[in-house]
Amino acid sequence: QSALTQPASVSGSPGQSITISCTGTSSDIGAYNYVSWYQQHPGKVPKLMIYEVNHRPSGVSNRFSGSKSGNTASLTISGLQVEDEADYYCISYTNIYSYVFGTGTQVTVL
Amino acid sequence: QITLKESGPTPVKPTQTLTLTCSFSGFSLSSTGVGVGWIRQPPGKALEWLAVIYWDDDKRYSPSLNSRLTITKDTSRNQVVLTMTNMDSVDTGTYYCAHRHRDFFGRAFDFWGQGTLVTVSS
Repeated sequence: QSALTQPASVSGSPGQSITISCTGTSSDIGAYNYVSWYQQHPGKVPKLMIYEVNHRPSGVSNRFSGSKSGNTASLTISGLQVEDEADYYCISYTNIYSYVFGTGTQVTVL
Repeated sequence: QITLKESGPTPVKPTQTLTLTCSFSGFSLSSTGVGVGWIRQPPGKALEWLAVIYWDDDKRYSPSLNSRLTITKDTSRNQVVLTMTNMDSVDTGTYYCAHRHRDFFGRAFDFWGQGTLVTVSS
């Protein structure tokens, strides 16, 4: 199972919206709606931002939203804020009950 | 309250076997639907999923590391152990253990340990 493909970097100005894609296969993203997204600031533990494609855990801003189409999932951050600058990772449950992470995307707020 | 904590030796010499222990509280690995996974992150690089063990003792491994990994659980001691054989410098990184539940948060890893830095060096 190869890593899911994410863009290496995405940037935007404060207040703008950005979208990060995560492309897999029919064995992972396309198999279930078990796609999650994590935010990781430098030196910190990853934080769950989205689960089951488009659900937010309690406490996560509604500026974060997720979607999926076929074998590609997406994370959208609207109203970009300085504190959103971090690395973002997608992860998918697979059809053999394992997991696979994405390659990671560095988000820069200009 | 769910907490997890990783522990293990560092540094580790090349070709040696690494043994990491995840000690947890706030849940039982004998409860239906529960799983504990291991994830690692080399310095400056991406997260990589390694292995997961489920409540029913089902075990799954990263295909690229399958031949080097073994994951076990000790339900009575609330611990999960990961061993990785034939360590190399490319295995240097922070190793995390994390909790997941079949019926919550879409099987995502919802609680993580703080991570333990493993350095492979002669």
